[in-house]
Amino acid sequence: DAGVIQSPRHEVTEMGQEVTLRCKPISGHNSLFWYRQTMMRGLELLIYFNNNVPIDDSGMPEDRFSAKMPNASFSTLKIQPSEPRDSAVYFCASSAGGSSNQPQHFGDGTRLSIL
Amino acid sequence: GENVEQHPSTLSVQEGDSAVIKCTYSDSASNYFPWYKQELGKRPQLIIDIRSNVGEKKDQRIAVTLNKTAKHFSLHITETQPEDSAVYFCASLGGYNKLIFGAGTRLAVHP
Repeated sequence: DAGVIQSPRHEVTEMGQEVTLRCKPISGHNSLFWYRQTMMRGLELLIYFNNNVPIDDSGMPEDRFSAKMPNASFSTLKIQPSEPRDSAVYFCASSAGGSSNQPQHFGDGTRLSIL
Repeated sequence: GENVEQHPSTLSVQEGDSAVIKCTYSDSASNYFPWYKQELGKRPQLIIDIRSNVGEKKDQRIAVTLNKTAKHFSLHITETQPEDSAVYFCASLGGYNKLIFGAGTRLAVHP
C-alpha cells in the first residue's frame, strides 16, 4: 500500500508566484481532503471531494486558492498569486467510501514557504 | 459552529506513567471520533478511533472512551514510553463529513 502521495515535499517561492500542490490518493479511496496546518490555526480543512466532485469548499481562504480533482487518482491545490501568509504545511488525506465513519489517511504533506 | 476542545495543551509524564487527554465536542450528531498522533515533521497518523455505538475501545497500551451524553471522549495511554512523545489530535466527524480537529496536545515522556 503506497499510501497518499503528495508532491512536492518542500516548496520555496517568492510571493506573487503560482504554486501547485499535487496529491494521489490511496487506490480505491473516493473521498479526498486538503488540509492546511499552521502553529496559529492548527489543522484546517480547506476542501473535500467525493467521487471527484467538490462537496464542501467553505474552508478555502479566498479566491486565490483553487482545487481540482480531474480523476479518481489525482488532485491539485493551486495558489495564485501566493502570499507570505500562505506559508504552512499542506496535507492531503483520503478515505474509502463516500459516507461517514471511514478513517482518513494523510500524506506526508508539502511544506510551503512563501518569501 | 462545530467545535472540538482539547485539554491539556501540553502534558509531561515520566516513562511508565499513564497519560490522559480529554476532548469535548459540540455537534450532537457526531458519530465518529478518531485520534491522530503527529511526530515532529511527520504526517498525522491514525492511532485509534471510536464510533458512537460503543463506549470504549482498547488497542494494546491505548484506549479511548466516549460519553455521548456529555459529548466527551478521552484518550488513555498506559505504560508510556519515550517514543509516545508527539502531538496528539482528537477529532469528531461533523456535517458534510468534515473532521473537526482539536488544537492538539503535546505529550512529552521523560525517561
